[in-house]
Amino acid sequence: QKEVEQDPGPLSVPEGAIVSLNCTYSNSAFQYFMWYRQYSRKGPELLMYTYSSGNKEDGRFTAQVDKSSKYISLFIRDSQPSDSATYLCAMWANTGNQFYFGTGTSLTVIP
Amino acid sequence: DTAVSQTPKYLVTQMGNDKSIKCEQNLGHDTMYWYKQDSKKFLKIMFSYNNKELIINETVPNRFSPKSPDKAHLNLHINSLELGDSAVYFCASSRQEDQPQHFGDGTRLSIL
Repeated sequence: QKEVEQDPGPLSVPEGAIVSLNCTYSNSAFQYFMWYRQYSRKGPELLMYTYSSGNKEDGRFTAQVDKSSKYISLFIRDSQPSDSATYLCAMWANTGNQFYFGTGTSLTVIP
Repeated sequence: DTAVSQTPKYLVTQMGNDKSIKCEQNLGHDTMYWYKQDSKKFLKIMFSYNNKELIINETVPNRFSPKSPDKAHLNLHINSLELGDSAVYFCASSRQEDQPQHFGDGTRLSIL
């Protein structure tokens, strides 16, 4: 079983829709949680970083962490064509001393 | 100013050759990384350096050798390239090991 599971999609939504992206994990030692956005032919770019259960909001983006269920989500409100990218979740535990990445979800927002 | 820069962006070469990829960060970070991303977009860590010292060396063939001449640079040398080495290689850096990483734009390596 992989440390981090993420549905690869692809996910296709109309412009203005609310998008929900999810990751599950098995290691209860994970402490820090991140979401990255990766455009085609570019490196991953950090979107959200959180270390506690609950919600964190930044503009149209909300990151949600549920440590009891070992589940994290990224919500995108009022999605735009410019949100079309691959979204990767990542997690860190001091036991492994490294970040573990999900496989990424490919999102297309149709104008 | 580019925070994490890699050169070259594209590398096309023959099987059996030796090649190097260079990485530089101007963020003042202590930790640098090399990742390999396969065609399915899975990012797998290869190496991690903290203040020029190797701290993570995942199961990577010893044909791959990282070198960190100083805190701001982490280069990757690959000997005897094989077809399976074709991938995108990303360099990244972070303030410390548990901090978010900043990535370069990748080096696309194609082996003929």
